[in-house]
Amino acid sequence: AQSVTQPDIHITVSEGASLELRCNYSYGATPYLFWYVQSPGQGLQLLLKYFSGDTLVQGIKGFEAEFKRSQSSFNLRKPSVHWSDAAEYFCAVGGLETSYDKVIFGPGTSLSVIP
Amino acid sequence: NAGVTQTPKFQVLKTGQSMTLQCAQDMNHEYMSWYRQDPGMGLRLIHYSVGAGITDQGEVPNGYNVSRSTTEDFPLRLLSAAPSQTSVYFCASSYTQGTGQPQHFGDGTRLSIL
Repeated sequence: AQSVTQPDIHITVSEGASLELRCNYSYGATPYLFWYVQSPGQGLQLLLKYFSGDTLVQGIKGFEAEFKRSQSSFNLRKPSVHWSDAAEYFCAVGGLETSYDKVIFGPGTSLSVIP
Repeated sequence: NAGVTQTPKFQVLKTGQSMTLQCAQDMNHEYMSWYRQDPGMGLRLIHYSVGAGITDQGEVPNGYNVSRSTTEDFPLRLLSAAPSQTSVYFCASSYTQGTGQPQHFGDGTRLSIL
């Protein structure tokens, strides 16, 4: 079945440490890929997106993500986490071969930051 | 620029009642969508629309109806509310989705069905 997976339900990191959040998808073609962040009680905000070109994309707030076609992955990274990064992070996939207009979200990864 | 506006922000319903969640955007976006967010399940697509007069089903459409009579508005209707529909609902919009444009989200409607 087609799906978007985020293997880590919850991650805790120390402030200043590096971060990597994993995202995998199971669609055949190369879709559009997004990372969104959700602060408590808020809507979702786009961090970055990929749909062609350079496989390493830069986003807001110092985040970056790398698309690896061979691994069907689009992992999110940040070299030094700040306490304000504590939030829920969602990977999303669009441009699906079965339904070009749909955007499907992963289950999310909750990030906690220890001072 | 208001972006995506959802009303109401909170609502409590009794089982069997009907209601409409409103969503409006002022960015002239063609693509609009409704998601529900439940703990541990992320956002699941309910219905979406690629333009006025065109709607289609998402992952979890049962129990919900939508229409798109104008570019700006995309209401979500619950015809007979059930406790399983207790959730946080998000509306989103973007330019034509086929170009990989990111979605802009509203602040959500928190719905409880008793």
